[in-house]
Amino acid sequence: DAGVTQSPTHLIKTRGQQVTLRCSPKSGHDTVSWYQQALGQGPQFIFQYYEEEERQRGNFPDRFSGHQFPNYSSELNVNALLLGDSALYLCASSLGSLREQYFGPGTRLTVT
Amino acid sequence: TQLLEQSPQFLSIQEGENLTVYCNSSSVFSSLQWYRQEPGEGPVLLVTVVTGGEVKKLKRLTFQFGDARKDSSLHITAAQPGDTGLYLCAGGDNYGQNFVFGPGTRLSVLP
Repeated sequence: DAGVTQSPTHLIKTRGQQVTLRCSPKSGHDTVSWYQQALGQGPQFIFQYYEEEERQRGNFPDRFSGHQFPNYSSELNVNALLLGDSALYLCASSLGSLREQYFGPGTRLTVT
Repeated sequence: TQLLEQSPQFLSIQEGENLTVYCNSSSVFSSLQWYRQEPGEGPVLLVTVVTGGEVKKLKRLTFQFGDARKDSSLHITAAQPGDTGLYLCAGGDNYGQNFVFGPGTRLSVLP
């Protein structure tokens, strides 16, 4: 049973560019949440997708957007990248609520 | 806005020692979770506590949820180098939403 997978593993972009990160949830899970984890900090909740709709959103600007597909996989898009967007982006899947989440290994994004 | 604080921020101990790390908030949480994260990996769920006063044990790890559901502790007995990592607490409301993580306690167990 494959766990949560994310791609790519690492990514380097320049300021102003756009990036798309991908996530496949654990088998049987229908909810995907995205987190940003800056170096030395705990993960910060970006948003959650359920039934192909954004169900909840954290305190992140509109430059951060997402999508969930019918197979429950998800994408995180970030436009107009800033240096401060450099972080580990984590995807977590769950069945329904956020109570029992399983995390992927993350995508390390570096903005130069 | 619900916030979680963790202490200590860093902890370095010798193999075989016992330790306790804390997770505190001024808000009530319907459930609280503990994760361990190793470098370059995502957090791994260790336990979920939902009832005030609840105690759960996972081998050498003991987790307790405060009676008022505002705080939690993680106690490790006879720590081993494999326990090294970032320990994160996280909590949510009754609907499993408004989910927040604490900043973590970075534990280093030296052989």
